[in-house]
Amino acid sequence: QQPVQSPQAVILREGEDAVINCSSSKALYSVHWYRQKHGEAPVFLMILLKGGEQKGHEKISASFNEKKQQSSLYLTASQLSYSGTYFCGTRLSGAGSYQLTFGKGTKLSVIP
Amino acid sequence: GAGVSQSPSNKVTEKGKDVELRCDPISGHTALYWYRQSLGQGLEFLIYFQGNSAPDKSGLPSDRFSAERTGGSVSTLTIQRTQQEDSAVYLCASSYGQKLFFGSGTQLSVL
Repeated sequence: QQPVQSPQAVILREGEDAVINCSSSKALYSVHWYRQKHGEAPVFLMILLKGGEQKGHEKISASFNEKKQQSSLYLTASQLSYSGTYFCGTRLSGAGSYQLTFGKGTKLSVIP
Repeated sequence: GAGVSQSPSNKVTEKGKDVELRCDPISGHTALYWYRQSLGQGLEFLIYFQGNSAPDKSGLPSDRFSAERTGGSVSTLTIQRTQQEDSAVYLCASSYGQKLFFGSGTQLSVL
């Protein structure tokens, strides 16, 4: 049930763009994105519900393709503050599916 | 208001001893989650409490792990007869809606 994230790690220079992908083998109700900086707690970025919507947070946006059970996180014009590990979390469709399962994370490093 | 509070922040124990980890959620949050974070393994789901409903214990790795939530507020995660592979950061999160608020975690080291 654990979603699969790719890539595992990425290094960017300031101003470059990146895409982080998240996929599931099960039908999803929602996809959640969190960022964790080193030594800190994960912090909520955004949630996408089934319906194919796209949301944005600063220069970070995401999409959810419910037919493919995939979500992508887009980071544009990256800043040093974007460095951290990004986790996608998924909730499955169906009654009683309240468990939020996270992927193994994507470590993003933005360098000057 | 205060965020999610976890204690202790660090715990060093000897193999075979029992440990209790505490989580104080944000007031009014009905849902509470426990996750385990090991190096390179992401956030591993352990258990989920929602109001007065029976908890979802499907993520507990063995019967040495248990958790309770008293009065719909404070939660305690207990690990009995600790093993070295239990060493990890244990994170608690609470929510009222879809958004989870995480605590800073308890770093558990089993020697």
